[in-house]
Amino acid sequence: QQQVKQSPQSLIVQKGGISIINCAYENTAFDYFPWYQQFPGKGPALLIAIRPDVSEKKEGRFTISFNKSAKQFSLHIMDSQPGDSATYFCAASSSGGSYIPTFGRGTSLIVHP
Amino acid sequence: DAGITQSPRHKVTETGTPVTLRCHQTENHRYMYWYRQDPGHGLRLIHYSYGVKDTDKGEVSDGYSVSRSKTEDFLLTLESATSSQTSVYFCAINLQGPAYEQYFGPGTRLTVT
Repeated sequence: QQQVKQSPQSLIVQKGGISIINCAYENTAFDYFPWYQQFPGKGPALLIAIRPDVSEKKEGRFTISFNKSAKQFSLHIMDSQPGDSATYFCAASSSGGSYIPTFGRGTSLIVHP
Repeated sequence: DAGITQSPRHKVTETGTPVTLRCHQTENHRYMYWYRQDPGHGLRLIHYSYGVKDTDKGEVSDGYSVSRSKTEDFLLTLESATSSQTSVYFCAINLQGPAYEQYFGPGTRLTVT
């Protein structure tokens, strides 16, 4: 059972455009939602994270939008740049359980110059 | 840099041989994890540890064993490697406690021929 569903699997955006990646979860006990960015040949690295007490968190060009009632959260990359080309993973974890994060399957983003 | 190293970084081995991958951390973090990453599957948890000699299984633990005799080292062993275990293996630690983000090592690319 896939507890965190991520879409799309791949995304191509023009430079300057907005990239949007969506995730949906099922377990209502999840209370921490990070996004990881992974460049080829590297390990994933934390990009931005949100807790369910806020509906949006912004860090530079990256924004997480969170909809608790719909059990969905999304990553928005504004003014996408070729350097943003990477694989993005959403994840969710629960502080009340084993704390093991559940990852989405990833989105490969390509930003064309 | 949370001080995670993985060794070896690349390995080619034959079916049926035992393989051990090493994860080493320098900052005394309690929680350590082993993941495998395969196209279309994202990151899947193999085993994790919550202290010296304290380990538990993840979602894809069959064919793998782990050991943690020291805080800084977490070993992943493939008892008898199979071609289905060809993958990129990542070690990770939890920063700032169990509910916080994970920090990943650089990965080990394993090919089983």
